[in-house]
Amino acid sequence: NFMLTQPHSVSESPGRTVTISCTRSSGSIASNYVQWYQQRPGSSPTTLIYEHNQRPSGVPDRFSGSIDSSSNSASLTISGLKTEDEADYYCQSYDRSNQVFGGGTKLTVL
Amino acid sequence: EVQLLESGGGLVQPGGSRRLSCAASGFTFDSYAMTWVRQAPGKGLEWVSAITGSGTRTYHADSVKGRFTISRDNSKNTLYLQMNGLRAEDTAVYYCAKDLAGDVGGFDYWGQGTLVTVSS
Repeated sequence: NFMLTQPHSVSESPGRTVTISCTRSSGSIASNYVQWYQQRPGSSPTTLIYEHNQRPSGVPDRFSGSIDSSSNSASLTISGLKTEDEADYYCQSYDRSNQVFGGGTKLTVL
Repeated sequence: EVQLLESGGGLVQPGGSRRLSCAASGFTFDSYAMTWVRQAPGKGLEWVSAITGSGTRTYHADSVKGRFTISRDNSKNTLYLQMNGLRAEDTAVYYCAKDLAGDVGGFDYWGQGTLVTVSS
């Protein structure tokens, strides 16, 4: 089984841009799609990005996803930060028989 | 509109059993894999179990293998998680999630969760 490693926390000011990384420990990041989920305090997770860089309908284009094979990592970028973006963010991927979550990143917008 | 409604949570003694249900609506249930994900208090998301749309293949995390069983009734649009041999470390909010396709992958919709507390 592989692991997905995220920074524990990040912080940035409103209006700025932040990027959260997600590094795969073994196997290629490109071999299975990466998803990103947002979880606000007291709420269920919601899907922000699926299949590396696709946004579900209703998700603002301030949120974008990408992968970088050279660093074997995925990234979630949030531009034009708003205070409402303050939440926990999780990356997720899978292999033939397991689904794996990153440990989560707490985003503080201050 | 896709809706996922979990039920069955509650207080269970160590070693006890519990069955969770997830009633689904708003999509063609048997076309999609379904997954259980849990979140212990103050912790991150942990994948628990998954089942293909047809129900022919199931997958379980090592932490629950041999104790938990995922199943589905496509005639009732309902997903289940039978939990046996419960331990204190199984205490968590359990979410059901709709997969993006018929087999293991990512998720696009989540339920509101049901809390399972394992304690004497």
